Amino acid sequence: NAGVTQTPKFRVLKTGQSMTLLCAQDMNHEYMYWYRQDPGMGLRLIHYSVGEGTTAKGEVPDGYNVSRLKKQNFLLGLESAAPSQTSVYFCASRERLAGANEQFFGPGTRLTVL
Amino acid sequence: GDSVTQMEGPVTLSEEAFLTINCTYTATGYPSLFWYVQYPGEGLQLLLKATKADDKGSNKGFEATYRKETTSFHLEKGSVQVSDSAVYFCALPTSGTYKYIFGTGTRLKVLA
Repeated sequence: NAGVTQTPKFRVLKTGQSMTLLCAQDMNHEYMYWYRQDPGMGLRLIHYSVGEGTTAKGEVPDGYNVSRLKKQNFLLGLESAAPSQTSVYFCASRERLAGANEQFFGPGTRLTVL
Repeated sequence: GDSVTQMEGPVTLSEEAFLTINCTYTATGYPSLFWYVQYPGEGLQLLLKATKADDKGSNKGFEATYRKETTSFHLEKGSVQVSDSAVYFCALPTSGTYKYIFGTGTRLKVLA
């Protein structure tokens, strides 16, 4: 049981390049989330999904797109990377049950945009 | 709207010192409250939680009590260790949505 995994762990991009971050979970969770973590700002929600085939915007969605084609995977895309997107990105998942609302986090992807 | 306010760090303590990290919240209703911990180079992991007023969550020597009257969920530990050095986040699920609000995090450094 790997929990939540993220690939890649590190990446350096040049301004304007594109990339996709992959999140996978093996806990059969319905809900999945993408956050970014920046110094002094805590975690900010980028996009989230409440089930396969559905996505929704979070607090800071601009410049990012997501897809949830399979229940276990949640992809975060950057179409044209900007230096302001330099950050650490975390994926999380949780069950649908109302009382079981703990989020499980992946280890993070450290992205630098030059 | 819902919000979480967490004391700013960094907090530097000597081993075996007493720790308090303050967290206050505003929320509609009475949501569950969480403390997450992030060790260097890792993702967040749940440290403890409380699901209703007056509940006390505890784990690894850490405790936090859900205080409805002061809208607080302060994290405490009686005797910290070097291995407790990490960033601690207070969090709550927002009312009527699937989203969570996290505090800005408090970095704790424990010196031997």
